Amino acid sequence: QQQVKQSPQSLIVQKGGISIINCAYENTAFDYFPWYQQFPGKGPALLIAIRPDVSEKKEGRFTISFNKSAKQFSLHIMDSQPGDSATYFCAASLDTGRRALTFGSGTRLQVQP
Amino acid sequence: NAGVTQTPKFQVLKTGQSMTLQCAQDMNHEYMSWYRQDPGMGLRLIHYSVGAGITDQGEVPNGYNVSRSTTEDFPLRLLSAAPSQTSVYFCASSQTGGSEKLFFGSGTQLSVL
Repeated sequence: QQQVKQSPQSLIVQKGGISIINCAYENTAFDYFPWYQQFPGKGPALLIAIRPDVSEKKEGRFTISFNKSAKQFSLHIMDSQPGDSATYFCAASLDTGRRALTFGSGTRLQVQP
Repeated sequence: NAGVTQTPKFQVLKTGQSMTLQCAQDMNHEYMSWYRQDPGMGLRLIHYSVGAGITDQGEVPNGYNVSRSTTEDFPLRLLSAAPSQTSVYFCASSQTGGSEKLFFGSGTQLSVL
């Protein structure tokens, strides 16, 4: 039972293009939605996060779009660079103090020069 | 500042053997957790701790034990390794209260033959 569904599994984008990764969740009690970036041989690192009281959050080239009614959120990477090539995970959690994240299955992004 | 340190980086076990994966953090974080990462399944929470002496189960706790005798250390014990426990294991920590940002270690790749 996967509570957070992520797509696509893999994505190839040309340098300078826009990368878009989508996630859908089932539990309407989720109230924190982070994206983590993972490079080969490393642990995931927090990239950007959003709460459901806003519909969009932007940090540099990275933007989260959030649609509460559709129970969907997405990561947009503008002007994608080869250095962005990594695996991206969306996640969601409940505000219970457990810090227990439910992760999506991951998207392997390759940005071609 | 070392952050979250995991040892060993690689381990091969035979079915039925036991071992302990070590995790230490030097950020004085109260919250620590263990995740396993399997292809196509994202990361799944095994056990977590909100402070010394306090532990609880996550999504996939069977076959694993934890204890938290100090703030810094959170070892994960496999009592009788099984091939289904072949995975990459990540330890993560965060402050309680405020930001839910998780800091991950670099992982332990475990193979059970």
